[in-house]
Amino acid sequence: GAVVSQHPSRVICKSGTSVKIECRSLDFQATTMFWYRQFPKQSLMLMATSNEGSKATYEQGVEKDKFLINHASLTLSTLTVTSAHPEDSSFYICSANRELAGIQETQYFGPGTRLLVL
Amino acid sequence: AQKVTQAQTEISVVEKEDVTLDCVYETRDTTYYLFWYKQPPSGELVFLIRRNSFDEQNEISGRYSWNFQKSTSSFNFTITASQVVDSAVYFCALSEEGFGNQGGKLIFGQGTELSVKP
Repeated sequence: GAVVSQHPSRVICKSGTSVKIECRSLDFQATTMFWYRQFPKQSLMLMATSNEGSKATYEQGVEKDKFLINHASLTLSTLTVTSAHPEDSSFYICSANRELAGIQETQYFGPGTRLLVL
Repeated sequence: AQKVTQAQTEISVVEKEDVTLDCVYETRDTTYYLFWYKQPPSGELVFLIRRNSFDEQNEISGRYSWNFQKSTSSFNFTITASQVVDSAVYFCALSEEGFGNQGGKLIFGQGTELSVKP
């Protein structure tokens, strides 16, 4: 089956540093990937849609300069949290769309990355 | 606007009881997809089912069954003879069948935390 990986699975960083999270589709190409954020005991909230070869589309309220997304290849999207602060501590989950005949088949989710900013 | 409502925040049952998780959705689209995901304590989302808006047939998979009713905009999930391993947070989600970079993003409900006690 389709597999999506994320790296790292956990990261602890100091306030003010930048953290990069990678999302890879391992056995299919994904022109579209999504980044979600989940705070404890809450639902998943879509942050942005990552498109291969073009700029990401951010949801309302998500700062594009703070959460940099790069989708440089059909199997890799990266999310960089710049100048992280404690309020950015969260569970970040990516997903990748596998397409069949131009139709978004389904989304496959990565295992998530727990970010803790001290 | 799209919206998914899971009114039950927490449910606690005793093993072998049947339990139904409710999901009500709102959308103006005629073509859409509904999903259920399971999120165990590890955090990784486990895909359970995907149903398109034109298929109202109920589905059964082992102890799991789903009831899709367009007339009431509901997509309820029933676990028969629940087990301790079923304890997790369950999310219902809605996706438009879109095109380009907006297609396929998921709108999640708030989640229902199911606790199955021995």
